[in-house]
Amino acid sequence: GENVEQHPSTLSVQEGDSAVIKCTYSDSASNYFPWYKQELGKRPQLIIDIRSNVGEKKDQRIAVTLNKTAKHFSLHITETQPEDSAVYFCAASRASGGSYIPTFGRGTSLIVHP
Amino acid sequence: DTGVSQNPRHKITKRGQNVTFRCDPISEHNRLYWYRQTLGQGPEFLTYFQNEAQLEKSRLLSDRFSAERPKGSFSTLEIQRTEQGDSAMYLCASSTDRGAQETQYFGPGTRLLVL
Repeated sequence: GENVEQHPSTLSVQEGDSAVIKCTYSDSASNYFPWYKQELGKRPQLIIDIRSNVGEKKDQRIAVTLNKTAKHFSLHITETQPEDSAVYFCAASRASGGSYIPTFGRGTSLIVHP
Repeated sequence: DTGVSQNPRHKITKRGQNVTFRCDPISEHNRLYWYRQTLGQGPEFLTYFQNEAQLEKSRLLSDRFSAERPKGSFSTLEIQRTEQGDSAMYLCASSTDRGAQETQYFGPGTRLLVL
């Protein structure tokens, strides 16, 4: 089955700095890569996603890059703000019956200090 | 609130008891997923439905776990003869097959504690 490794497990930055979270996956059949943000005690929420036919995608301060050959993908957050503090999960998803089944990483706890 | 809802939000039970959780997806979503999340881990896929058909089950889903979606709307997840290792957050998510949407929208979860 799929195995997703996520690093670092904890990331502490100063407000305004950039933050980078990296993930690797093992199954070359994975072709959809969502990133979720989970604030303490709340549900995971999708913040950005990328398909395997795209190398990079950007949405305001958030960007994701994908290297299919190396089987790794990364989340980049620029100009971090205290409200960005949360746990971030990457996932590598394979197709199943028309849907996508994700395998999640273990999460990165991002702390943004004001 | 038109998002995914789950009930109950918290459940404490004794080992050996049966428990049942309910998930109500976003109304126009025909796909429904169950996940389990333990502390310090990402959600782990358990099973998913398209309409009333259960299309895939994880090998994590032991014989004590059963999920149903009889009318293609809400779903229930039952755990029989609970064990302490079943203590976790059980998350439900839903999505639609319309267009190119893959986004899964999560519910708030049901936190289970088995004593």
